Amino acid sequence: AQKVTQAQTEISVVEKEDVTLDCVYETRDTTYYLFWYKQPPSGELVFLIRRNSFDEQNEISGRYSWNFQKSTSSFNFTITASQVVDSAVYFCALSENAGNMLTFGGGTRLMVKP
Amino acid sequence: EAQVTQNPRYLITVTGKKLTVTCSQNMNHEYMSWYRQDPGLGLRQIYYSMNVEVTDKGDVPEGYKVSRKEKRNFPLILESPSPNQTSLYFCASSFGTRDTQYFGPGTRLTVL
Repeated sequence: AQKVTQAQTEISVVEKEDVTLDCVYETRDTTYYLFWYKQPPSGELVFLIRRNSFDEQNEISGRYSWNFQKSTSSFNFTITASQVVDSAVYFCALSENAGNMLTFGGGTRLMVKP
Repeated sequence: EAQVTQNPRYLITVTGKKLTVTCSQNMNHEYMSWYRQDPGLGLRQIYYSMNVEVTDKGDVPEGYKVSRKEKRNFPLILESPSPNQTSLYFCASSFGTRDTQYFGPGTRLTVL
């Protein structure tokens, strides 16, 4: 069965600090897909990134970057020079190629203080 | 505008009073799904549908029903709501399970 663990339930940083949100997953499938979503205080779920298991290249999008490491089953998310607007709950999720469901981690609440 | 809509956005009801939360998408997606979000538990899948007339249970289906009579609509039915179904509910859609799911704005349900 697939499983996603976000061990950090809450992180607090001061603006301009870098912060890394951890995501560890479990799957028996060799082909799978990983996602990150952001849930700001307004409550909607905003898609950030999708990666497949064959693409281990790290990705950078502005202040956001993702580090995918199959060897440690991790897909960590780093925000560089954090801003107050980054305050949100962030979810990591996993979909197996052989399955029909998307499994979410418990989420990490990030608070960026001015 | 491509979107997933849910109605109502907020609902307070009493135990045992049947209710339906509607979900509609305009992206011609085949896959649709319902989740509930509870503190510390993330989002858990209730039911999903691979296509019209094809539905299946997720991780927490007890107390819920769904139907998929049209491609764009996927209502969630609580025939006899109980207080433990108080939660934030999200509908989502995508072309397939490997694809990015797009979420509706959420429905906050309180069962007294």
